[in-house]
Amino acid sequence: DVKVTQSSRYLVKRTGEKVFLECVQDMDHENMFWYRQDPGLGLRLIYFSYDVKMKEKGDIPEGYSVSREKKERFSLILESASTNQTSMYLCASRSHRDEQYFGPGTRLTVT
Amino acid sequence: GENVEQHPSTLSVQEGDSAVIKCTYSDSASNYFPWYKQELGKRPQLIIDIRSNVGEKKDQRIAVTLNKTAKHFSLHITETQPEDSAVYFCAANGDSGAGSYQLTFGKGTKLSVIP
Repeated sequence: DVKVTQSSRYLVKRTGEKVFLECVQDMDHENMFWYRQDPGLGLRLIYFSYDVKMKEKGDIPEGYSVSREKKERFSLILESASTNQTSMYLCASRSHRDEQYFGPGTRLTVT
Repeated sequence: GENVEQHPSTLSVQEGDSAVIKCTYSDSASNYFPWYKQELGKRPQLIIDIRSNVGEKKDQRIAVTLNKTAKHFSLHITETQPEDSAVYFCAANGDSGAGSYQLTFGKGTKLSVIP
C-alpha cells in the first residue's frame, strides 16, 4: 500500500518565519511534487523533482524553494512566510507515467 | 506546456441521476488522463484513468471517454449516490520532456448529490 506522509496536518507560523514542510513516500517513486490548493483555484504546482537533487519550477514557485537530498523525501521551504502563503499544501509522488499518490495535506496558516 | 480546462465548476444532481464532467486539453501529445476524487477534508484519490490508445473505460458506475481528435475527455457517473458528493479533478500527462513527469490538473468540479 503506497504511503505518502507529510510532517504536519496543521501548522501556524508568523510572518517572516522560515517554514519547512516535509514529505516522505515509501514506494521508491522517482517523481515528487508540491502543490498548493486554494478554493476555486484547484491544484497549483509549486515545484517538482524527478530525481535526487533535481528540481523543476512549477506554475507558482515564487516565495518557495525545495530540497531533495534522498529519493524518499521532498521538502518545501518558505524562506520568509507571508500571509498570502496561507493555504493547504499537498505533496504527491508517482512513478513515470503512472498513478499519482497524494499525501494528507498540511493546512498552513501564516499570521 | 499543457493546459487543462474543466467544466462545470459546480454541479448539482438528484440522487439516482447521472453526472457528466468535461475536460479539454491542449497538448496533442498527452497520453494519460486520470480522474481524482477529493472528499471534504481528505486527499485526492484516483478513481479512474484512461490512456490515449483507448476510447472508453468503465468501472461499475463510473466511466471515462476520450476523444483524441477533439482533445477532450469526460467523466460519467451513473445512478449517483450521496457519497459521490466531492470535488472531482481531471488531469493530463504530457508525453515529452519535463511534461512527461507531471500531471496538469483542471480546476475541479464540486459535485453535490441531493438525496
